[in-house]
Amino acid sequence: QSVLTQPPSVSGAPGQRVTISCTGSSSNIGAGYDVHWYQQLPGTAPKLLIFSNSNRPSGVPDRFSGSKSGTSASLAISGLQADDEADYYCQSYDSSLSGSWVFGGGTQLTVL
Amino acid sequence: QVQLVESGGGLVKPGGSLRLSCAASGFTFSDYYINWIRQAPGKGLEWVSYISGSSRYTDYADSVKGRFTISRDNARNSLYLQLNSLRAEDTAVYFCARRTDATVSSPLDYWGQGTLVTVSS
Repeated sequence: QSVLTQPPSVSGAPGQRVTISCTGSSSNIGAGYDVHWYQQLPGTAPKLLIFSNSNRPSGVPDRFSGSKSGTSASLAISGLQADDEADYYCQSYDSSLSGSWVFGGGTQLTVL
Repeated sequence: QVQLVESGGGLVKPGGSLRLSCAASGFTFSDYYINWIRQAPGKGLEWVSYISGSSRYTDYADSVKGRFTISRDNARNSLYLQLNSLRAEDTAVYFCARRTDATVSSPLDYWGQGTLVTVSS
C-alpha cells in the first residue's frame, strides 16, 4: 500500500484529455513538499515528466501539465497520442517516515 | 550527455549477497546526490537509498536498513549498493538515478536502465 494514492488505471481516446490524481496527506503533499511525475514506457526506465508540481523539463511537450492543491496533485495529458501509453508515477517526500522518499502506486494509461 | 549504467545484478540464493554498481558519465559526479530505486516485477517504484556527493549523508528505506549499504567512489565516477542477507522480496530491477539538487524533495532527472536482482533458491 503506497503512501501516495493513484488510480490503478485510466484510459482515453486519441485527442482526448485525461487526468491522473495523486492523493497524499499532511505529512507529504499537504506539508508543502514538491510533487514530481515520471513516465515509464513499457520495458524502459522512468523518465522525469513534471517536476516541482507543474514544471516541464526541456523536451517534454506542453500537452503534459501538473498541478497541486492541498494534499493532492494531478497530472493532465491533453491531445492523447498512442505513444503516451505508459505507467505514470507521482513522487514526493514524507516527513513522518524514515528516509521518506515516497512514490505513488502508479497509473497505467491506456490509449483506446 | 548524462549517462548512468548499472551492473552487477543476477541470481542469488536467499541469505546471499550481491554488489551493484552504477557507472556515471557526462556530468560532475561528485556534485550530485544519487539514489537507488527498485521495481519488483509487475509492481511500482520503491525508493531504496541515497547518498550525498561527498558521501557524508546516506539514508535507507526501512525495508533494507541494516542489510544494504550505499557507497560511492568519486574518483571512479561510480556508485555502489552492497546487498546482504537477501530475501525473496528483494527481487527487483534496481535503478540508480541522479537527484537535481540536495533539497529533500528534489526530483530524479536522469535514470539508468536498471539491473535485475533475482533472489531464489
